[in-house]
Amino acid sequence: ETGVTQTPRHLVMGMTNKKSLKCEQHLGHNAMYWYKQSAKKPLELMFVYNFKEQTENNSVPSRFSPECPNSSHLFLHLHTLQPEDSALYLCASSSQREGLGDTQYFGPGTRLTVL
Amino acid sequence: DAKTTQPTSMDCAEGRAANLPCNHSTISGNEYVYWYRQIHSQGPQYIIHGLKNNETNEMASLIITEDRKSSTLILPHATLRDTAVYYCIVRPPNAGGTSYGKLTFGQGTILTVHP
Repeated sequence: ETGVTQTPRHLVMGMTNKKSLKCEQHLGHNAMYWYKQSAKKPLELMFVYNFKEQTENNSVPSRFSPECPNSSHLFLHLHTLQPEDSALYLCASSSQREGLGDTQYFGPGTRLTVL
Repeated sequence: DAKTTQPTSMDCAEGRAANLPCNHSTISGNEYVYWYRQIHSQGPQYIIHGLKNNETNEMASLIITEDRKSSTLILPHATLRDTAVYYCIVRPPNAGGTSYGKLTFGQGTILTVHP
């Protein structure tokens, strides 16, 4: 248990559906991240939020829409996805203290399958 | 960011020490060495990190060479539950504002612990 929870753990959706992934951290961190891990590929950073402000969008298609209402919650809204978007979606959080290395703690992930 | 080189796979007998090497010959003076592991289809788990000195915690030990060009993660008494992909990552400290030390995952080392 890392203090980062994700729901749902598994999700199957059609290409015309709209769904949302939720992440919550109980660690008092100020930064949250979305990563994507496709089969047999390394983790890819998607989005970064620091104090609710998006600080990085790693050229992610607009069918993925993040939302960070506060420092503890992070959402990833999904619409009109493609089968190649099927992957493990991971959330992480950290304290992002200036001048220091900060440790990112990951949630268990949501296994997404797009039919 | 500095690149890392790890063996693709390693085997270890249960109860023995597992020594996982990592080369990072282009590491800069202020970059940290981080180790994570990922058990199949779960989120990455933080293990340990260091800057210049050797580090030890309840999970593992990290030995960094004096020139900082390589490091070794040591699991002192490997168990079957230590079977996972182990990632060695070099990352800079946070620079402040929206600039932070990005965590870039490679392919890692697949460690298999045998009975």
